Amino acid sequence: EVQLLESGGGLVQPGGSLRLSCAASGFTFSSYAMSWVRQAPGKGLEWVSSISSSGGGTYYGDSVKGRFTISRDNSKNTLYLQMNSLRAEDTAVYYCTKDSVDGSTWYSDYWGQGTLVTVSS
Amino acid sequence: SSELTQDPAVSVALGQTVRITCQGDSLRSYYANWYQQKPGQAPVLVIYGKDNRPSGIPDRFSGSSSGNTASLTITGAQAEDEADYYCNSVDRTIFGGGTKLTVL
Repeated sequence: EVQLLESGGGLVQPGGSLRLSCAASGFTFSSYAMSWVRQAPGKGLEWVSSISSSGGGTYYGDSVKGRFTISRDNSKNTLYLQMNSLRAEDTAVYYCTKDSVDGSTWYSDYWGQGTLVTVSS
Repeated sequence: SSELTQDPAVSVALGQTVRITCQGDSLRSYYANWYQQKPGQAPVLVIYGKDNRPSGIPDRFSGSSSGNTASLTITGAQAEDEADYYCNSVDRTIFGGGTKLTVL
């Protein structure tokens, strides 16, 4: 059974930093791309960042580019999101997703339960 | 434009058929993925690609596409289908704004 367990969320002041982790199990972690998707309170889904299976390719949404860094440790089956220079608008539940591809279609076939990040003074 | 546009809310009578749509220029060339999200829960993939259902998703859910519009159809909607539905681009980086489905 695929499991994705996020951790590291919490309350942080504007300008502060936080590192999220996602522990994966139930599949060959090193064979799959992974992503972070967030959802602000009462709002829709927003893609944040993706990373290739090897970690050699990283991709970011415009709203977090230059502030967030995605990474992975395939020896520990863990995905990370380092978040710096946090703003109030970064307040959201952050989901870790396992990604698959079918032809030219990428999709997130498994999601974690999410971890809440609150940026406030 | 890379945006995906969805109607904010749709309703359907129990047991009837409902279509939830997603519009965007990218959909002229590619299919959309669809996710279901119930209150307080993580999203669940219900349709990906042309019309593929992950294991465990009932066959009353189907996907289609025409021109710049992708559609998620629920044939014989059930009470448990009441949820928010999001379409998603083929490279998974763009989400529609979501459609709140109410089953009457």
